[in-house]
Amino acid sequence: ETGVTQSPTHLIKTRGQQVTLRCSSQSGHNTVSWYQQALGQGPQFIFQYYREEENGRGNFPPRFSGLQFPNYSSELNVNALELDDSALYLCASTTQRESTNEQFFGPGTRLTVL
Amino acid sequence: SQQGEEDPQALSIQEGENATMNCSYKTSINNLQWYRQNSGRGLVHLILIRSNEREKHSGRLRVTLDTSKKSSSLLITASRAADTASYFCATDWMNTGFQKLVFGTGTRLLVSP
Repeated sequence: ETGVTQSPTHLIKTRGQQVTLRCSSQSGHNTVSWYQQALGQGPQFIFQYYREEENGRGNFPPRFSGLQFPNYSSELNVNALELDDSALYLCASTTQRESTNEQFFGPGTRLTVL
Repeated sequence: SQQGEEDPQALSIQEGENATMNCSYKTSINNLQWYRQNSGRGLVHLILIRSNEREKHSGRLRVTLDTSKKSSSLLITASRAADTASYFCATDWMNTGFQKLVFGTGTRLLVSP
């Protein structure tokens, strides 16, 4: 167990809907990153938050957005869901914005878009 | 995409045998990390090797890094059924103010009793 928790575990939505995924960082970690992992693929970086601000983003459209709260918990919001958004969504926390230390991953939320 | 490649994509061995997985990447790195994933769940960090290191050990794990060839290998010795999982290498990509991990496509390891 890494101390990073995510909710919900599973989620089913229909195309066009909106979804919010939640992540609670490991104690003492002020940086959180979100990754999307399609079936059979490696995780892909969505964005990173440090002290409540987005400070880095991967190749994902603006309908993927996030929030980080003062207690360093985080949300990932996806609007106008598409079938290709079906994936495992992972959050990871670490201690520093530019850390080269390991990232601690949560168990993930599996999103299915019908 | 800067995604790396793992080789082989799948590996099936017997308990007690050694398992070797290889990873290639495309850009200069600060470090390379190996993660394990069981049944499509969260990733577990195994080992980190920095760009100025050539070999690192942790228990039954041995990692090598060849920055001239942009490649790394993970060796699991005396494998166990519990080692059955997918293994990913991830390169640490640093840019102005943020860090992201760029993952490879993974090796699915099956260890049979």
